[in-house]
Amino acid sequence: AQKITQTQPGMFVQEKEAVTLDCTYDTSDPSYGLFWYKQPSSGEMIFLIYQGSYDQQNATEGRYSLNFQKARKSANLVISASQLGDSAMYFCAMRENSGYSTLTFGKGTMLLVSP
Amino acid sequence: ETGVTQTPRHLVMGMTNKKSLKCEQHLGHNAMYWYKQSAKKPLELMFVYNFKEQTENNSVPSRFSPECPNSSHLFLHLHTLQPEDSALYLCASSQDLRDRGLNYGYTFGSGTRLTVV
Repeated sequence: AQKITQTQPGMFVQEKEAVTLDCTYDTSDPSYGLFWYKQPSSGEMIFLIYQGSYDQQNATEGRYSLNFQKARKSANLVISASQLGDSAMYFCAMRENSGYSTLTFGKGTMLLVSP
Repeated sequence: ETGVTQTPRHLVMGMTNKKSLKCEQHLGHNAMYWYKQSAKKPLELMFVYNFKEQTENNSVPSRFSPECPNSSHLFLHLHTLQPEDSALYLCASSQDLRDRGLNYGYTFGSGTRLTVV
């Protein structure tokens, strides 16, 4: 069963506008971590933001914020004031707190920012 | 040099060739990973090493052979590959897998783009 679902293959946004990238997850583990990564055309995966399942507040890192809705099992990434350099693939990932748990990734969303 | 370094960045090989991908990290991490990224597919975890010991092999064909001589270096030896093995191969590292904390992510290299002809 797919643990991370990103339903938006592609998103378009104009420069300086905000955009939300969707992510839903599936786990029965009460303790888990959620991550967002950015992958530019160069290929490198760049860590953006982290949210723990027990964190009371939504995570924020500069222009990135995570809209964490635990009951809905969603962890949407919000990018405010989009910039041309934000054009990239964005991946949502989860790590559960069991055994030698590793990161599981969604299929990604391609974001294109236009001038 | 810091971070995770992968070499080569690009590789074209024939189906009968033998080649190796190299990954090196200078972050003091103890876990290292190989991921395969094919077009329109999620990242596929191939192998995991923790303190040089392989902890996971996700049913990867034997034509892919990993090697982890120490916590800083990881290799992926390739032989008799198929065209469908063409992909971006990403290496990553992280803290000790046994660490029960969840708030560490992985640090990735830039990947090796492999084309099998």
